[in-house]
Amino acid sequence: GQNIDQPTEMTATEGAIVQINCTYQTSGFNGLFWYQQHAGEAPTFLSYNVLDGLEEKGRFSSFLSRSKGYSYLLLKELQMKDSASYLCAVVDSNYQLIWGAGTKLIIKP
Amino acid sequence: NAGVTQTPKFRVLKTGQSMTLLCAQDMNHEYMYWYRQDPGMGLRLIHYSVGEGTTAKGEVPDGYNVSRLKKQNFLLGLESAAPSQTSVYFCASSSQVSGANVLTFGAGSRLTVL
Repeated sequence: GQNIDQPTEMTATEGAIVQINCTYQTSGFNGLFWYQQHAGEAPTFLSYNVLDGLEEKGRFSSFLSRSKGYSYLLLKELQMKDSASYLCAVVDSNYQLIWGAGTKLIIKP
Repeated sequence: NAGVTQTPKFRVLKTGQSMTLLCAQDMNHEYMYWYRQDPGMGLRLIHYSVGEGTTAKGEVPDGYNVSRLKKQNFLLGLESAAPSQTSVYFCASSSQVSGANVLTFGAGSRLTVL
């Protein structure tokens, strides 16, 4: 079967750095997405990785290792507004999106 | 620019009742999707459409029907609601951004079936 694993919940302090991991086992790989979802709202696109390495976008970076079936989302200089769920999703060999259950990130002052 | 609009935002149904969720997008996207989101689970695809007049089944299509009569609209129907269909439903449309098929989601429709 296809599986995406993410921690259920993480807590971090305002101003700090946090890394949210995602491991996947899918039938093929055609890219990995990270989406942010604030409570009661729609998911919004954060990043897309298809090649190994680090993609940086302001305070957010996303890393991919295809050989390890592993990605992480790195959030720097955490702000209270970063409190949200972070969803990892993998595009499989049929170009279908397989979603993880999401990681709820709690930011404390 | 409204993006993706879903109606209604909230609905309570009794078992056996029927209803339709409406999704409208104004971005001229070809692809549209209906997902459900349940606690502790990833988003699950119900049905999707690759263009006007076409629909296809996703991962969990049973108990749902869809129609895409106009490019901008994608309707999700429940013919005979069951408590297992209590969920938050998200509509999305997609476009290519730097080689990635990026989804734009609606705000969600929270459905409770009693």
